[in-house]
Amino acid sequence: AQSVTQLGSHVSVSEGALVLLRCNYSSSVPPYLFWYVQYPNQGLQLLLKYTTGATLVKGINGFEAEFKKSETSFHLTKPSAHMSDAAEYFCAVSDSGGYQKVTFGTGTKLQVIP
Amino acid sequence: DADVTQTPRNRITKTGKRIMLECSQTKGHDRMYWYRQDPGLGLRLIYYSFDVKDINKGEISDGYSVSRQAQAKFSLSLESAIPNQTALYFCATSDSGVGKETQYFGPGTRLLVL
Repeated sequence: AQSVTQLGSHVSVSEGALVLLRCNYSSSVPPYLFWYVQYPNQGLQLLLKYTTGATLVKGINGFEAEFKKSETSFHLTKPSAHMSDAAEYFCAVSDSGGYQKVTFGTGTKLQVIP
Repeated sequence: DADVTQTPRNRITKTGKRIMLECSQTKGHDRMYWYRQDPGLGLRLIYYSFDVKDINKGEISDGYSVSRQAQAKFSLSLESAIPNQTALYFCATSDSGVGKETQYFGPGTRLLVL
């Protein structure tokens, strides 16, 4: 079984400040890990993903995440928040086998304060 | 044109009515999914289909049924709608194979059951 925990359903940061959204996972097999973003009134779109290889993954819009196996974490960061980053962010995990069932976290709403 | 489309985008119905939500995709993907999104609960998988002849229940399939009419079309039905099925529904697609795990989401259908 696999699961995802996102700490903090709401996060507020000032424009220009560091963005840190936390994600911890559990998985009985090597995981694939994802961050998706949902802008208001839209579907989810992929920000970045980790499958194998380099543990620091860079995504769109300046976001990156680091897979830390020892901590079972995949936290999302961005050095400097923009107003346009205000959205809901979902961490997700799937197993690395052929089944590819994806389990989503409960989401974190990011508010960017001018 | 959008790769994954959902119709209708908004729907109000009454308890006991049968309704169908439709999803079409032009990405040529084999795999299609139906999720519901509720505030604070993230996305939960209702049904998924890995090809036209393969349909599987997700974690919350009770009260729902699906039909995969073609590779490009995947419909979700509520046989007898009830108020706790009020939610935002998303269709998603993905390709099969290692390295192709990304899911592509439609814009969502907002359903209100009175």
